[in-house]
Amino acid sequence: QVQLVQSGAEVKKPGTSVKVSCKPSGYTFIGYYMNWVRQAPGQGLEWMGWINPNSGDTNYAQKFQGRVTMTRDTSISTAYMELSRLKSDDTAVYYCARDGGGGSFFDSWGQGTLVTVSS
Amino acid sequence: QLMLTQSPSASASLGASVKLTCTLSSGHSSYAIAWHRQQPEKGPRYLMKLNNDGSHSKGDGIPDRFSGSSSGAERYLTISSLQSEDEADYYCQTWGTGIVVFGGGTKLTVL
Repeated sequence: QVQLVQSGAEVKKPGTSVKVSCKPSGYTFIGYYMNWVRQAPGQGLEWMGWINPNSGDTNYAQKFQGRVTMTRDTSISTAYMELSRLKSDDTAVYYCARDGGGGSFFDSWGQGTLVTVSS
Repeated sequence: QLMLTQSPSASASLGASVKLTCTLSSGHSSYAIAWHRQQPEKGPRYLMKLNNDGSHSKGDGIPDRFSGSSSGAERYLTISSLQSEDEADYYCQTWGTGIVVFGGGTKLTVL
């Protein structure tokens, strides 16, 4: 079955960067877009963007443009999300989510990675 | 602007049914959505994709107690025979050209 396994929790200082990984299994990695979504404590879900693992093309939500970079390594079937210039309100759980149809609905989610930004 | 509106909370009794609503913004009534469930302290789980004609396709392992329907700009998630494990946040999600949008979520309490 489809599984998305993310890297472990991170604690970062303001102004630094964090890079979260997502390694899927159970399907062909390059066949499905990968999205990143975050959830601040007690808040709802916020879409950050997607990457096409086949081409490397990306599409970022306007809010995160200039601060987020989504990449992939096809040799190890892993997707990455890097967020720079971290602020305290970037403290959140970050999820990767497989896209069921090329920029559409999410049909499988990672377990989440808690990123805490604190001085 | 593409948006989704959900009531913040809902409640229903154990064993009863509940119908949650997600409303598409003006001009977007033909859009499909997806429903996701997030149990306490867990990540989201995909429930189903719901089209504007009411047809839907559920995720693996989602029981028959979960169904979807549509009317105009409204998209519904009906859960029958409520169980304690259904107490969760329910999010709808839609997408357009280069954008993905989530509703604010509905917190369902099972009494």
